[in-house]
Amino acid sequence: QKEVEQDPGPLSVPEGAIVSLNCTYSNSAFQYFMWYRQYSRKGPELLMYTYSSGNKEDGRFTAQVDKSSKYISLFIRDSQPSDSATYLCAMSEDSNYQLIWGAGTKLIIKP
Amino acid sequence: EADIYQTPRYLVIGTGKKITLECSQTMGHDKMYWYQQDPGMELHLIHYSYGVNSTEKGDLSSESTVSRIRTEHFPLTLESARPSHTSQYLCASSEYKGNRGPQYFGPGTRLTVL
Repeated sequence: QKEVEQDPGPLSVPEGAIVSLNCTYSNSAFQYFMWYRQYSRKGPELLMYTYSSGNKEDGRFTAQVDKSSKYISLFIRDSQPSDSATYLCAMSEDSNYQLIWGAGTKLIIKP
Repeated sequence: EADIYQTPRYLVIGTGKKITLECSQTMGHDKMYWYQQDPGMELHLIHYSYGVNSTEKGDLSSESTVSRIRTEHFPLTLESARPSHTSQYLCASSEYKGNRGPQYFGPGTRLTVL
């Protein structure tokens, strides 16, 4: 079993919908949680960076961490065709440099 | 503008050739990383560096080597390329705040070995 699980999709939703992307993990020592967006043939771009549990909001994006359930989510409000990309979650322990990555969810926003 | 640069963006070469993938950053970061990513798969760490003259191997076994002579420069070299090396190579950097800084990525080099 992988340390970080992420539904590969693709997830296809109409423009304007609220999108929910999720990752589950098994290592209770993870403290730092990140969401990256990756367009085709480009490098990942950092979207959200959170520590421990709770919510963080940035514009149309909201990141949630539920450490008791070992579950993190990224919500996108008022989704746009330009949001179509692969979304990667990553996380790390407090004492370890290494990021552990999900395989990514491909998101398609239909105009 | 602070950024991470990778060259070349695309490279097609024959088996047995020596290649160097370039990575430079103007972010002022101490830590740098090389990842390998195949389509639809997670990123795999192949090398990282804490700073000048520091290089370490990552989790994914790789026949490549790296060097860190200058803070801003972290090239990756394959002495003899093989078709199994065909992949996307991503360079990243982060601040050295203990281990907590997020990583920032370059655009990647897509390598095809014939």
